[in-house]
Amino acid sequence: SQKIEQNSEALNIQEGKTATLTCNYTNYSPAYLQWYRQDPGRGPVFLLLIRENEKEKRKERLKVTFDTTLKQSLFHITASQPADSATYLCALDNASGGSYIPTFGRGTSLIVHP
Amino acid sequence: SQTIHQWPATLVQPVGSPLSLECTVEGTSNPNLYWYRQAAGRGLQLLFYSVGIGQISSEVPQNLSASRPQDRQFILSSKKLLLSDSGFYLCAWSPGWQGGYTFGSGTRLTVV
Repeated sequence: SQKIEQNSEALNIQEGKTATLTCNYTNYSPAYLQWYRQDPGRGPVFLLLIRENEKEKRKERLKVTFDTTLKQSLFHITASQPADSATYLCALDNASGGSYIPTFGRGTSLIVHP
Repeated sequence: SQTIHQWPATLVQPVGSPLSLECTVEGTSNPNLYWYRQAAGRGLQLLFYSVGIGQISSEVPQNLSASRPQDRQFILSSKKLLLSDSGFYLCAWSPGWQGGYTFGSGTRLTVV
């Protein structure tokens, strides 16, 4: 069966360090992979999208890599700040009848300590 | 710019009562629309999606239903709520081509 795995344990890091979050998947051949940020009691907010033919994508302090051979994406936040503390979700798209149906991982909680 | 509205923000309903949650999108036309549920400590579970008026696809069989009476309106309903229907309900939209999904602010439903 299809599965998306994100580390269920919270990631605790010190301010200024680089946070690296992992998303592994099985039995998918996604065309796109996305990362979202979710704060408590709020809806997820889209951060980055990477296509299957892209190895890396950057946006300000964020960097996403996508390895379709390893079936893994890494999400990096450089120079992390306490305001980066949140749950980060990865999502894969299944194409269905010409539409994209997203499936989300459970997310990893990031806690940045001042 | 596009905006998505979802209401109410919180809802407490007794078991067996009906449910109606509404979601509307502004600033775009023919969006793909989605309903998700997020139980405490769990991931996002896709409930329904729609690619056009009157077109609803169900991902999970349950006592919930969805309707899309207008292009930018998506409604989640139930005739009789169960305790297990409690959770955080999120509406989302996408433009149909792949550019990420925009979520509403969510409805916290507690069935008592």
